[in-house]
Amino acid sequence: DIQMTQSPSTLSASVGDRVTITCRASQSISTWLAWYQQKPGKAPKPLISKASSLETGVPSRFSGSGSGTEFTLTISSLQPDDFATYYCQQYNTYLTFGGGTKVEIK
Amino acid sequence: EVQLVESGGGLVKPGGSLRLSCAASGFTFSDAWMSWVRQAPGKGLEWVGRIKIKTDGATTDYAAPVKGRFTISRDDSKNTLYLQMDSLQTEDTAVYYCVTHRSIVNFLDNWGQGTQITVSS
Repeated sequence: DIQMTQSPSTLSASVGDRVTITCRASQSISTWLAWYQQKPGKAPKPLISKASSLETGVPSRFSGSGSGTEFTLTISSLQPDDFATYYCQQYNTYLTFGGGTKVEIK
Repeated sequence: EVQLVESGGGLVKPGGSLRLSCAASGFTFSDAWMSWVRQAPGKGLEWVGRIKIKTDGATTDYAAPVKGRFTISRDDSKNTLYLQMDSLQTEDTAVYYCVTHRSIVNFLDNWGQGTQITVSS
């Protein structure tokens, strides 16, 4: 099974900050990686597919990069609507989620 | 607009059974791989299992914690996905989401609102 490790698990930041979340796979997954955003009491929302392809309607301040085993999600200038929990998910072999990163207000 | 509406959740005793349904609309259900994903209280997302389309044999795959206890099925004539859950354990307590796949890859495209399952005596 492919394990996904996200860091940090919690991140405190201010509006306007640049934020980076890391996701590591236990083996190479090429670019078969997705990022999701989840707000309390809501279903997850897809942000990025194929490691770096922004979903339609997702603000351009979000970007994804990486391949193989190391991936990052970057928010270039954190906005109030971005405080949420973010999950990475590999889809190279079945599906596995990372443990999540909660982005909190500093 | 894609709509996925889960139903069938509730409180069940350990060892009991429950069947969830997911009514789908706004897309060609028979052409869509479908998954169930769950989220225990205060925890992260966990993939439960997937069913492919009929032309792919409607093949199912399951995560290790539920294999042999949960069964995913689909009724394309009713645009409905099912999750039969048997031998339920307290660790199965979670919100269960019905999710579409994008094409024939395991990227999860559209999510339902979720239904709560509580396993408790």
